[in-house]
Amino acid sequence: AQKVTQAQTEISVVEKEDVTLDCVYETRDTTYYLFWYKQPPSGELVFLIRRNSFDEQNEISGRYSWNFQKSTSSFNFTITASQVVDSAVYFCALRRRGQNFVFGPGTRLSVLP
Amino acid sequence: NAGVTQTPKFQVLKTGQSMTLQCAQDMNHEYMSWYRQDPGMGLRLIHYSVGAGITDQGEVPNGYNVSRSTTEDFPLRLLSAAPSQTSVYFCASSYRGQAGELFFGEGSRLTVL
Repeated sequence: AQKVTQAQTEISVVEKEDVTLDCVYETRDTTYYLFWYKQPPSGELVFLIRRNSFDEQNEISGRYSWNFQKSTSSFNFTITASQVVDSAVYFCALRRRGQNFVFGPGTRLSVLP
Repeated sequence: NAGVTQTPKFQVLKTGQSMTLQCAQDMNHEYMSWYRQDPGMGLRLIHYSVGAGITDQGEVPNGYNVSRSTTEDFPLRLLSAAPSQTSVYFCASSYRGQAGELFFGEGSRLTVL
């Protein structure tokens, strides 16, 4: 079965703190893709990153970084020096061979000024 | 480009009424899908399509109907609305390949009284 777990339901940090959002996935496929999406209070869903199962290199984009570890089936997302504008619900997703996405339940991040 | 366009953005229905949520994309994506988002439940797949004339059920298809007569359009029909269908609905599309990220519409908030 395909499953994505985001154990942190809600996280609250003070601005400028670093924060890591956890994502653990389950799949029997050897080829798959992992994604992160952001849903700000305005409600739209914004694509952040895609990672394929054969590429375990970490990725950094500005204050955002992603750590993919196949050995622990995890694809964690770190925001460095968080800002109020980072407040949102963040979803981790797995795209399996059958083309459908499986989303985690999301983590609500609140960054307080 | 308009991307993925959903209408209406808001709708209130009475129990038993029927309605159609419209979805159109202008990116020539083969894959289209409908999700519902409920608090604490993440995004759950209702129906999806991998091309014109092809549709299939997702995780929560009961009470919903879809069709795909063109590549661009993928309407979602509520046959007889129930209060349990109160939710936010998202249409999304992507290229068929496994690497393609989902592009989401802005969402439609439906309330069934």
